[in-house]
Amino acid sequence: EIVLTQSPGTLSLSPGERATLSCRASQSVSSRYLAWYQQKPGQAPRLLIYGASSRATGIPDRFSGSGSGTDFTLTISRLEPEDFAVYYCQQYGSSPLLTFGGGTKVEIK
Amino acid sequence: EVQLVESGGGLVQPGGSLRLSCAASGFTFSSYEMHWVRQATGKGLEWVSAIGTAGDTYYPGSVKGRFTISRENAKNSLYLQMNSLRAEDTAVYYCARGDRLVVPGGGYYYYYMDVWGRGTTVTVSS
Repeated sequence: EIVLTQSPGTLSLSPGERATLSCRASQSVSSRYLAWYQQKPGQAPRLLIYGASSRATGIPDRFSGSGSGTDFTLTISRLEPEDFAVYYCQQYGSSPLLTFGGGTKVEIK
Repeated sequence: EVQLVESGGGLVQPGGSLRLSCAASGFTFSSYEMHWVRQATGKGLEWVSAIGTAGDTYYPGSVKGRFTISRENAKNSLYLQMNSLRAEDTAVYYCARGDRLVVPGGGYYYYYMDVWGRGTTVTVSS
């Protein structure tokens, strides 16, 4: 069973700073099936990145994804006030069919 | 407008049953794999079940044998029948659309969940 471990659990940063979020898989994951989501309080998750590095429609280019195998990264180049939220990585296709990481909260310092 | 709207949540006693529904609109429902994902208060996302376009179903171990996902394409509707409910099943339940972006000439596709409903709340308590 694939487990996705996200770190850090909480990231305290100021607007304008760079955020680097990690997602590590317990075994190799196809980058084609690695996605990132953003969730704000009281809202459903929103797709940010698919295929490990492709931005979804309407996602600003300050969001970028990278990685392969077992190590993936979501980077927010310059934090805007609306970027403070919880971020989840997700894999598809390996047993179980779909798994989420535990999430990283990006909070205002 | 592409939209998913969940309903059917509520308060149920431990050991009881509940059936959730998800109404889809704005897209060809029958062409997409669909999922249920839940989130307990203050916790992360947990995948609950999936159903393919051919009706094939998938579950994680935590709900297998207790939950049943189904779809009715003629009604553009997704369902989740939940039996033998436990306190730990208390959560907001989201339905989500799974999409495959085929890479032309590449022989492969990307997979992601691109449309989500607002969720319906299930509380299991005596």
